Amino acid sequence: QSALTQPPSASASRGQSVTITCTGSIRDIGVYNYISWYQHHPGKAPQLLIYEVTERPSGVPNRFSGSKSGTTASLTVSGVQPEDEAEYFCGVYAGDYKLFGGGTKLTVL
Amino acid sequence: QVRLQESGPGLVEPSGTLSLTCAVSGDSITSDNWWAWVRQTPGENLEWIGEVYHSGRVIYSPSLKSRVTMSIDKAKNQFSLTLPSVTAADTALYFCARIRTYDYLMDYWGQGTLVTVSP
Repeated sequence: QSALTQPPSASASRGQSVTITCTGSIRDIGVYNYISWYQHHPGKAPQLLIYEVTERPSGVPNRFSGSKSGTTASLTVSGVQPEDEAEYFCGVYAGDYKLFGGGTKLTVL
Repeated sequence: QVRLQESGPGLVEPSGTLSLTCAVSGDSITSDNWWAWVRQTPGENLEWIGEVYHSGRVIYSPSLKSRVTMSIDKAKNQFSLTLPSVTAADTALYFCARIRTYDYLMDYWGQGTLVTVSP
């Protein structure tokens, strides 16, 4: 099984929107909806942002949203805030195994 | 609030054994959840290592299955990872996490502990 592919970096000015993609295959993202997104500030525990493609845990700001099309999942941050500068990574449960992306470093300009 | 905290040596010699522990608070290790290890090697993707249930049942990544051992310590409410015969390729940031049984979601993670394999 191959890992998921994310762009290594993304940037947005405060208040703008940015979308981060996560590309898999027909064997994982293409068939499973157990797709999650995490925010990771270095030295801290990764925080769950999105699960089951679009669901947001309580306490996560609604500016974070998720979607999926074919073998690509996406995380959109609408109205980026300075505190959103962090690494974001995706994950998928694909039956017998779990896969993750390499992470995207979001810079808030 | 569920919290997980990894601990263990930060430096392991090549061919030695990597041993890490994850202490859980805010939840019981015997709850209906699985407990996982994930690592992030420098410049690479996160890699799922495997997971363990309080019954002792384990599921390991095929790529590490021949070397990895996971176990549960109910008395201390913690679980552990053992990886023998390490090489430089095992140098990574190691995370522990909780997996919800009903939707396979890793909902809580530790902050990670860096393990370097070096003489």
